[in-house]
Amino acid sequence: GENVEQHPSTLSVQEGDSAVIKCTYSDSASNYFPWYKQELGKRPQLIIDIRSNVGEKKDQRIAVTLNKTAKHFSLHITETQPEDSAVYFCAAWGTTSGTYKYIFGTGTRLKVLA
Amino acid sequence: EAQVTQNPRYLITVTGKKLTVTCSQNMNHEYMSWYRQDPGLGLRQIYYSMNVEVTDKGDVPEGYKVSRKEKRNFPLILESPSPNQTSLYFCASGRAASGANVLTFGAGSRLTVL
Repeated sequence: GENVEQHPSTLSVQEGDSAVIKCTYSDSASNYFPWYKQELGKRPQLIIDIRSNVGEKKDQRIAVTLNKTAKHFSLHITETQPEDSAVYFCAAWGTTSGTYKYIFGTGTRLKVLA
Repeated sequence: EAQVTQNPRYLITVTGKKLTVTCSQNMNHEYMSWYRQDPGLGLRQIYYSMNVEVTDKGDVPEGYKVSRKEKRNFPLILESPSPNQTSLYFCASGRAASGANVLTFGAGSRLTVL
């Protein structure tokens, strides 16, 4: 079945450094790729997303890149801060195949060390 | 305030005792779905609904039922709960019509089955 693989499962960086999280999806019909952040004890919340007709999108310190040919997409966080510490989930969703499953990766726990 | 409300937030029950977790959204979203979150496994989709009276299985539907009789409500039913259904459950809704589908999550329901 369809799945989304996410790596790494844990990531520790020094404050001010960059962090990169990578995901690979299997369903070529997927055309929407969001990223959610879940702080400890809270619900997931969208931080950035990208559609399949776009290769890159930026929002201040975060950016997402998409390689449709390779079925890869990545989250880039620059100048990391302690409040970036959380679990990050990538996801894939699409409407072209007739199913509407919203598939999440297994998550990356990011720790930003002060 | 735009929100997804799920109840109960915490529940301890025993094997075999039917229970329902309610979910309601006030954003007129077409898409509603249920997820369970377990350590190391990320967010796994149980069921989703694209509109009233339209439901479909996610990746882990066994042991669960749902219904979508009204656009705003999407209850999750456990007919005969078992200990392996002990988990943190999230309901989410989104406006799927535009091709993007940003999910708004409820606060989560922590279920323990003894």
